[in-house]
Amino acid sequence: DAGITQSPRHKVTETGTPVTLRCHQTENHRYMYWYRQDPGHGLRLIHYSYGVKDTDKGEVSDGYSVSRSKTEDFLLTLESATSSQTSVYFCAITSGTGLAGGAYEQYFGPGTRLTVT
Amino acid sequence: KNQVEQSPQSLIILEGKNCTLQCNYTVSPFSNLRWYKQDTGRGPVSLTIMTFSENTKSNGRYTATLDADTKQSSLHITASQLSDSASYICVATETSGSGNTGKLIFGQGTTLQVKP
Repeated sequence: DAGITQSPRHKVTETGTPVTLRCHQTENHRYMYWYRQDPGHGLRLIHYSYGVKDTDKGEVSDGYSVSRSKTEDFLLTLESATSSQTSVYFCAITSGTGLAGGAYEQYFGPGTRLTVT
Repeated sequence: KNQVEQSPQSLIILEGKNCTLQCNYTVSPFSNLRWYKQDTGRGPVSLTIMTFSENTKSNGRYTATLDADTKQSSLHITASQLSDSASYICVATETSGSGNTGKLIFGQGTTLQVKP
């Protein structure tokens, strides 16, 4: 898993509660990403980070916030979880500089299965 | 709208047989095409990455082809093994002109089951 860990690996929570998922990397890569994977959809980008305290929105960012205070950690927060956020969440990093068009490798973590009841 | 479509949605083959998975993309501007393998309960793992100027790339028993003119790619698996049972995801990269990372457009995947 290219030195990527995610915690927790499984979580069940109730609607309306806050949830924070953590992604930790040991490779000191600049770019980190949060995706969600749902049946019938390809992986969809939630947010990404291009450096400490530098983040940007992906295509499905509503209801999610992120923070990156250290190179190695990227946190995804659901401020008030809803049933539509039940999903499998993957963190990813890229090996290269992330320059446009670069054929950089993207490595994924093992995933967090979140169920919102 | 930029999108990636894969076919078939699912496939069952016998161990030792070959198979080919298809991917059509409508991504522009296009940078590169990736294939990932995702085992059940795991994150995707990269198999190949091809830039728009490459036609084919192999990784062991996996061979990917790319036709940038017709916007089609295929993944051929030779002499399948039980461990090839997984979801195979095609991903096209939309080049970003801002200098930031390119955007990855993911297909929904083809689920392959290899039976003994």
